[in-house]
Amino acid sequence: QSALTQPPSVSGAPGQRVTISCSGRSSNIGVSAVSWYQHLPGTAPKPLIYVNDQRPSGVPDRFSGSKSGTSASLVISGLQSDDEADYYCATWDDSLNGYVFGTGTKVTVL
Amino acid sequence: EVQLSESGGGLVQPGGSLRLSCAASGFTFRDFAMSWVRQAPGRGLEWVSSIYGGGVGTYHAESVRGRLTISRDNSKNILYLQMNSLRADDTATYYCAKLEGHPHREYYFDYWGRGTLVTVSS
Repeated sequence: QSALTQPPSVSGAPGQRVTISCSGRSSNIGVSAVSWYQHLPGTAPKPLIYVNDQRPSGVPDRFSGSKSGTSASLVISGLQSDDEADYYCATWDDSLNGYVFGTGTKVTVL
Repeated sequence: EVQLSESGGGLVQPGGSLRLSCAASGFTFRDFAMSWVRQAPGRGLEWVSSIYGGGVGTYHAESVRGRLTISRDNSKNILYLQMNSLRADDTATYYCAKLEGHPHREYYFDYWGRGTLVTVSS
C-alpha cells in the first residue's frame, strides 16, 4: 500500500509556526479529501482536520489545513510544548480501493 | 460519549490465528462504517480494513487481503478482525476507528480506541 509522503521531522521554538506537507497522487489527494491526525504513542490518535480544512469541535484554531492539487499541508501556529507528537495525513485512494496514511512527521518543540 | 475498546490481542506463533474485537458504545453502531488501523513498532499508521454500516461493503489493504477479514455484529455493537496465517510483519498495535462523513472520498476517522497489541513470534 503506497503511503503519502511527509517529512520525517519538523521543529520550532514555542510560539513559532510550523508546516507539515503531505504529497500524494492524482488517484488519492487529487480526488479525495485529506484528514490529519495527532498521535502520541500508546494513546488513541486524535483527528485535527477533516475534509482538507475543517476542524472537529474542540481542536484549537492554531491548527489549520489546506489542499492544492495532489498535496496538502497542516500548519501549527503558536507552537506549544504539548504539540510534540507524531502527525499523519490520510485520504482515500481510488486505485488502491482503500485508505492511505502519510509516512508521519515528528514535531519537536525546541 | 463515544467509546471504542479493543480486545483479543496477544502473542501468537507464525501461521496462527487470532480474533480481535472492538466494543462500541455511545452512538448508533449500525449506522456507521468502521475500520481497523495498525501501527507496527517504530513505524507509522497503516490502514488495514473497513466495513460499512450494513456489513455488506468491506475493503482490505493489499498486504492483508485473504488473511485478515473484517466483520461486525450490529446486534452486539462489536467490530471484529479475524486474523489468519499470521506473519511476523503483522506484529502491531491494532486500533479500531469509527468513520464519519461521506463515503469514500470525504470519510475521516473521528473516534479511535486505544489499541490492542498483537505479537507474532515463535
